[in-house]
Amino acid sequence: GAGVSQSPSNKVTEKGKDVELRCDPISGHTALYWYRQRLGQGLEFLIYFQGNSAPDKSGLPSDRFSAERTGESVSTLTIQRTQQEDSAVYLCASSPRRDEQFFGPGTRLTVL
Amino acid sequence: AQSVSQHNHHVILSEAASLELGCNYSYGGTVNLFWYVQYPGQHLQLLLKYFSGDPLVKGIKGFEAEFIKSKFSFNLRKPSVQWSDTAEYFCAVNGPSGGGADGLTFGKGTHLIIQP
Repeated sequence: GAGVSQSPSNKVTEKGKDVELRCDPISGHTALYWYRQRLGQGLEFLIYFQGNSAPDKSGLPSDRFSAERTGESVSTLTIQRTQQEDSAVYLCASSPRRDEQFFGPGTRLTVL
Repeated sequence: AQSVSQHNHHVILSEAASLELGCNYSYGGTVNLFWYVQYPGQHLQLLLKYFSGDPLVKGIKGFEAEFIKSKFSFNLRKPSVQWSDTAEYFCAVNGPSGGGADGLTFGKGTHLIIQP
């Protein structure tokens, strides 16, 4: 595809449930990032994948958050036992090098 | 850790007015600087970036920004705004100790409204 895609576009879940968010980066982009944007806030870095290197998880807010990426393709962000404060837009970005990041449309997560 | 401050959260201007949005960052070492824009209902997209060289960088749609190292600033400017510039603008910095090895640290954004 032409750009970064994310699914689902919207997700409503109940507190305590697990959710899985998906990101398809631009083909050939070795770097992939996840960010979170809470209402009225800037983007908050969560995790970074670069090729086959160990991911940089320094931005994950708790051990309920995890992410995986297979090679240089799809990534999934999993939130276990969701809490209301997890409600946010989750954005994925990919990059061909240490340069401009290309963002997806985001997944809007609402935890009731 | 790196932090980015955008001074104006909401700006309202009339068409043809001049625009300047402030951005300051905290880390004093080598940084890469970006301005992103999010038009209503659209993805974040890059307006312009600074890595090195001429501190005055030009981006898309007539925007420019000036990197002033001594002031830790990277302000965004446009001499004459249009109604279509209504959007959310984010300043971001990429550098050591920021959002991970290469993750960007973003400001909270400035919501710009241009009145016709």
